[in-house]
Amino acid sequence: ETGVTQSPTHLIKTRGQQVTLRCSSQSGHNTVSWYQQALGQGPQFIFQYYREEENGRGNFPPRFSGLQFPNYSSELNVNALELDDSALYLCASSLTLGQGAVQYFGPGTRLTVT
Amino acid sequence: DQQVKQNSPSLSVQEGRISILNCDYTNSMFDYFLWYKKYPAEGPTFLISISSIKDKNEDGRFTVFLNKSAKHLSLHIVPSQPGDSAVYFCAARGLSSGDKLTFGTGTRLAVRP
Repeated sequence: ETGVTQSPTHLIKTRGQQVTLRCSSQSGHNTVSWYQQALGQGPQFIFQYYREEENGRGNFPPRFSGLQFPNYSSELNVNALELDDSALYLCASSLTLGQGAVQYFGPGTRLTVT
Repeated sequence: DQQVKQNSPSLSVQEGRISILNCDYTNSMFDYFLWYKKYPAEGPTFLISISSIKDKNEDGRFTVFLNKSAKHLSLHIVPSQPGDSAVYFCAARGLSSGDKLTFGTGTRLAVRP
């Protein structure tokens, strides 16, 4: 069984540019969540997708957007990058919604904005 | 507003002894709690969870205790092993917040051989 995978591993972008990060969910999982982890902090919830529909959003501006595809893989898009967007971006998949549905994390994408 | 707090940034324990990691929360709507372990350059790995209807859950060397009245939970690792050295995150989920996990800032555990 393949776990959650993310690409790319590392990325360097310039302020004002746009970036797309990708995530492949664990087999059979229909729910994906994205988190941002700044240095020295815990992961912060960005948003979640369930069966291709957004199912909750954290305190992130609209320039953070996402997609979930029919095969349940997912993308996180960030427009107009700012220096503070430099962080580790984590994708997590879960079997379904609800209590008991543990979220399993990928290794993350380290984004550096210069 | 930090709704989940891990007040100890680091903890050092001798191999074979007990490690106790603590977590406090402020949101009374949280009803499910999880512990994750994170090694450098890897994503968080799920360790153990507990529902608010229980006060203890055990899995091998790992036990989580929940004190709802104090809004406090702890993770006990017995016996501690050098491979347990990692950053441990406490996370909570609430009835009113869907499946969003709210994380603490983590505790770095070092187990000395």
